[in-house]
Amino acid sequence: QVQLQQRGAGLLKPSETLSLTCAVDGGSFSGYYWSWIRQPPGKGLEWIGEINHSGDTNYNPSLKGRVTISVDTSRTQFSLNLNSVTAADTAVYYCASVDEDYWGQGTLVTVSS
Amino acid sequence: QAVVTQEPSLTVSPGGTVTLTCGTSTGAVTPGHYVYWFQQKPGQAPRTLFYDTRNKHSWTPARFSGSLLGGKAALTLSGAQPEDEADYYCLLSYTGARNWVFGGGTKLTVL
Repeated sequence: QVQLQQRGAGLLKPSETLSLTCAVDGGSFSGYYWSWIRQPPGKGLEWIGEINHSGDTNYNPSLKGRVTISVDTSRTQFSLNLNSVTAADTAVYYCASVDEDYWGQGTLVTVSS
Repeated sequence: QAVVTQEPSLTVSPGGTVTLTCGTSTGAVTPGHYVYWFQQKPGQAPRTLFYDTRNKHSWTPARFSGSLLGGKAALTLSGAQPEDEADYYCLLSYTGARNWVFGGGTKLTVL
């Protein structure tokens, strides 16, 4: 049974950097793309980006320049960094393998001064 | 950035049939868009219902089916159950690469 466990800060001030990590336990880490997806309160889903075990990345063009996704294969985990956050980045952030239907528990990140 | 459109809300009677659609501002949805469908219930993470247009996960109930219909992707629910009340999202890939765009979601009410 594959489990994705998210960790990271839930409260940020404007201009700070959002950092989240997703640890993948109990299954194969290679061969999949691992994604970050977010959902502002009461709104729909937004694809942020993805990475595979080789470190190949794809990003949402609207966030490109602010977002970095990295992978640590030795620890079977991947991370999201989003810099210069504003209130518009307030959302529940999910890590996932959408192909395999593996999802993290979600992390509410609030940006407020 | 392409825009992916879904019906904001739909209602279906218990036991009834409903089709949710997913269109793109770039023209017709094709197999090259590698369509995903997700179900999300309140307070929960989404779950992947379909990948590559019509391929189900092991947990996907048989009453759901995925297809391409009239230039759009379609999610058909036949024999709606109360537990199918949820938000449904489609996800499309663009430009031959892995550039993904979500639709705005459809709130499905079973009533």
